[in-house]
Amino acid sequence: RKEVEQDPGPFNVPEGATVAFNCTYSNSASQSFFWYRQDCRKEPKLLMSVYSSGNEDGRFTAQLNRASQYISLLIRDSKLSDSATYLCVVPRNQAGTALIFGKGTTLSVSS
Amino acid sequence: EAGVTQFPSHSVIEKGQTVTLRCDPISGHDNLYWYRRVMGKEIKFLLHFVKESKQDESGMPNNRFLAERTGGTYSTLKVQPAELEDSGVYFCASSRRFQETQYFGPGTRLLVL
Repeated sequence: RKEVEQDPGPFNVPEGATVAFNCTYSNSASQSFFWYRQDCRKEPKLLMSVYSSGNEDGRFTAQLNRASQYISLLIRDSKLSDSATYLCVVPRNQAGTALIFGKGTTLSVSS
Repeated sequence: EAGVTQFPSHSVIEKGQTVTLRCDPISGHDNLYWYRRVMGKEIKFLLHFVKESKQDESGMPNNRFLAERTGGTYSTLKVQPAELEDSGVYFCASSRRFQETQYFGPGTRLLVL
């Protein structure tokens, strides 16, 4: 099983739609999780951190299911500017230094 | 506050040549990381510096890669000699402390022909 696995998509949705991405991780001892956003040919940027059951920031909600070892990212009321690749990221160990990245899920929001 | 900067933004070299990538972390950030994304694959960790010391270099692919961070400020990553499979995007990231958010630089796109 890969350390971090994501559905690559692409997800093509109209503006205003709600879209959800899932990510599974293999290390059951993982305590923290991140969603990064990466625009085309740009660097990854932190979108949200998830330390307990979930986190909400405006239109974005991240949820954690430890029993099933998956994290989800829900985007409500999608905007054109949400078009990007969303990377699921898990620290490799408790020290939390090396980050393990999923391949990313591509979202395209159209008008 | 200036972000993480990397130089060059692009590099095209021939197999067997040497290339040196540079990363300037955010001022005050003791932790500096190198990552690489090879086409079609996920971003992978290469190594981690705390100030000038290598904390974890478990991701370095082989001894053709040499990373340094003299003085604990900027870091260089040298590839010598470069091979075709070294092509990809090399990202540098920095954080103030362990487990704090890692801020990524724009990356260096390396193409080995």
